[in-house]
Amino acid sequence: DAKTTQPTSMDCAEGRAANLPCNHSTISGNEYVYWYRQIHSQGPQYIIHGLKNNETNEMASLIITEDRKSSTLILPHATLRDTAVYYCIARGAGAGNMLTFGGGTRLMVKP
Amino acid sequence: DTEVTQTPKHLVMGMTNKKSLKCEQHMGHRAMYWYKQKAKKPPELMFVYSYEKLSINESVPSRFSPECPNSSLLNLHLHALQPEDSALYLCASSQENGGGYEQYFGPGTRLTVT
Repeated sequence: DAKTTQPTSMDCAEGRAANLPCNHSTISGNEYVYWYRQIHSQGPQYIIHGLKNNETNEMASLIITEDRKSSTLILPHATLRDTAVYYCIARGAGAGNMLTFGGGTRLMVKP
Repeated sequence: DTEVTQTPKHLVMGMTNKKSLKCEQHMGHRAMYWYKQKAKKPPELMFVYSYEKLSINESVPSRFSPECPNSSLLNLHLHALQPEDSALYLCASSQENGGGYEQYFGPGTRLTVT
């Protein structure tokens, strides 16, 4: 699976959009981009995933560049409860491809 | 319902004890996973079960023994653990084991080995 690179930490003001970048320049054509988050001392929570197209659900939007070498997770109106570590993971489609967590981005939403 | 439950929430055990962690899901998922997470580190995969059969063991020491009694249950049997095995143990499940399927995680069992 492709390696992903994320900033170690980011701050965001409450009520503003949080834009979390992820670089996956070596991603291959069959690898999905997954986003999970982990709020302190809880299990990771699935947010969204995509292959080529932009995706949106009730939690967030995922914007994938046309060349698929990077993506951005957008939380449209961040709240204090969105403070968490956000993991961007590139994962191949096959059964042998595991969910491999990297360091993630620690997002701090401030009042 | 996208809930994965884990019991117990906390466990303290001595190095000579035998204990078990339990995980349960009722989403009809056919793949289940055990992860280990040390403090301030990301989760690391330990085992994968697919259709109740062990499909992946990430070179985990034999003092950790997984078991999948049925499609809804996953156990992790612990024996002769070391203090360095203290961690948060996370269970997850997904519809199938593959890249297009999201995994749902339980809240974890926080294990302390004394």
